[in-house]
Amino acid sequence: ETGVTQTPRHLVMGMTNKKSLKCEQHLGHNAMYWYKQSAKKPLELMFVYNFKEQTENNSVPSRFSPECPNSSHLFLHLHTLQPEDSALYLCASSQPSYNEQFFGPGTRLTVL
Amino acid sequence: GIQVEQSPPDLILQEGANSTLRCNFSDSVNNLQWFHQNPWGQLINLFYIPSGTKQNGRLSATTVATERYSLLYISSSQTTDSGVYFCAVERASGNQFYFGTGTSLTVIP
Repeated sequence: ETGVTQTPRHLVMGMTNKKSLKCEQHLGHNAMYWYKQSAKKPLELMFVYNFKEQTENNSVPSRFSPECPNSSHLFLHLHTLQPEDSALYLCASSQPSYNEQFFGPGTRLTVL
Repeated sequence: GIQVEQSPPDLILQEGANSTLRCNFSDSVNNLQWFHQNPWGQLINLFYIPSGTKQNGRLSATTVATERYSLLYISSSQTTDSGVYFCAVERASGNQFYFGTGTSLTVIP
């Protein structure tokens, strides 16, 4: 498999559920990103990892918890979300020194 | 942060027409990318163009970093060009991309 993959592609969850989003990149990159795209809004950067270390956290609520076990995998753990967290969640990767980003297909999340 | 403004916000074209999309940014940038987001949400890389001009088929892009803008040209548009076009910039001082609000393009047959 090539590029950046994300699973699941669609997710519906209740406010009391716990779920995780997974991202995997097959490009040999060392930086990975989570973005949130709400309807009619630009993409908002949530987290950045460089060489498995978190380097950016854009004031994201603690109900979103990222995990980066290695340079190829990135997770976003979700718990006690709110309906306003419903959005498209996009993962991207790049080389830290050459920052052309490549995106996965996204997970469309609905919180009931 | 850095402000990224795209114009026009919406554009409707007849198939075969040409168009120019603009991206203005408020500060010095290291990198700039243009993306096409298809109706399923996938962001497709069009150009990585921190400066200069590049061409890829019917698409071309020009970035004038000193004047803080970039242009995306679409020639002989096709219905498959429909979608939202985003530019994203990385500020000179850090490892963070800022996205514009996008231009929503509809190409009608």
